[in-house]
Amino acid sequence: QAVVTQEPSLTVSPGGTVTLTCGSSTGAVTSGHYPYWFQQKPGQAPRTLIYDTSNKHSWTPARFSGSLLGGKAALTLSGAQPEDEAEYYCLLSYSGALWVFGGGTKLTVL
Amino acid sequence: EVQLVESGGVVVQPGGSLRLSCAASGFTFDDYAMHWVRQAPGKGLEWVSLISWDGGSTYYADSVKGRFTISRDNSKNSLYLQMNSLRAEDTALYYCAKGAEWKYWGQGTLVTVSS
Repeated sequence: QAVVTQEPSLTVSPGGTVTLTCGSSTGAVTSGHYPYWFQQKPGQAPRTLIYDTSNKHSWTPARFSGSLLGGKAALTLSGAQPEDEAEYYCLLSYSGALWVFGGGTKLTVL
Repeated sequence: EVQLVESGGVVVQPGGSLRLSCAASGFTFDDYAMHWVRQAPGKGLEWVSLISWDGGSTYYADSVKGRFTISRDNSKNSLYLQMNSLRAEDTALYYCAKGAEWKYWGQGTLVTVSS
């Protein structure tokens, strides 16, 4: 089974910009992996921020954006807010049948 | 309003069995594939299983293949996860999630495998 890798932790200053990445042990991440990004705060269920690489739900703040960058999926936060402090998970689809989460990135806004 | 409500989580002994349920409402259940995802205490998310809209196709993570069975009853708008040969490492909060855009998740049900 594939392994999906994320930065274990990142820190961003309030108002700053940070990019979280998501790589695959099988090679480059492409749109065919339908990359997803989830935000999870302590004691809460995950919330989907980005689907299919770069699409946003109605509740996704405009400061979040998804893309492919250097063979990885990427989540960019521009203008970080204190409420963005959370754990972020990426999810990749393998042939639409098998799905693998990354280990998560703990984002600190400090 | 879309709702997913998991139930069935309890404390069970190693080697035991358990069936989790997920009651869906607020959408046309049989139009969508459904997933189970779990999260061990203090750990990350782990995809467990996927079932197609009609139950005709099922997929599993290697960690549960051969022990867990996903199923659904579209007449009852319900998703299930039969868990057999449970191990301590299966201890987790189990979530169901609506397929397609992974747009909706339940709040989870806690399974504890311990003697």
